[in-house]
Amino acid sequence: SQQGEEDPQALSIQEGENATMNCSYKTSINNLQWYRQNSGRGLVHLILIRSNEREKHSGRLRVTLDTSKKSSSLLITASRAADTASYFCATGLTNAGKSTFGDGTTLTVKP
Amino acid sequence: DAMVIQNPRYQVTQFGKPVTLSCSQTLNHNVMYWYQQKSSQAPKLLFHYYDKDFNNEADTPDNFQSRRPNTSFCFLDIRSPGLGDTAMYLCATSRDLGAGQPQHFGDGTRLSIL
Repeated sequence: SQQGEEDPQALSIQEGENATMNCSYKTSINNLQWYRQNSGRGLVHLILIRSNEREKHSGRLRVTLDTSKKSSSLLITASRAADTASYFCATGLTNAGKSTFGDGTTLTVKP
Repeated sequence: DAMVIQNPRYQVTQFGKPVTLSCSQTLNHNVMYWYQQKSSQAPKLLFHYYDKDFNNEADTPDNFQSRRPNTSFCFLDIRSPGLGDTAMYLCATSRDLGAGQPQHFGDGTRLSIL
């Protein structure tokens, strides 16, 4: 069964606005990763946050992790049309050697 | 640039006719994965190789098999494709096995079964 669930399923914003996506999971994890997938392409790794970290930044991306609520959020600041894509969280389970992907959030950034 | 390359990008085949998808990597990574992704869904792991060790997911149909003749190449064989196997098939690699390893994906093969 799916470990991570993203919310919302779809998000539409204007260029320049911030976009926030959330990922909730059910069991204890070692780490959580976020990936981006442009239409018709493969996934691209964005950022990894470990279970002992609360926040991580990479350029315009900010990821938070709240292990007590079993949730993570991905914030994209000052969005651009090129950020239009699907965003997936992938949770790394404590006792497993692989990650499991959620169903993703489809982000549309209008110019 | 080091990368993961999948061929072909698009494949159309007939119901029941065997099909093989290929993946090559120049990253020299130990692990290669095959995922199935249906429209608007999460990538679903079918199996992975750690070096020459093959690991099948419990719910992967027997119809799906894989070969890894060397470090660089990995193949996905679908012996008798059904209509439900229409999907994007993604190959990915990681340096090592472990949930914290970033995966590097190819651009996928979009497979249509008619």
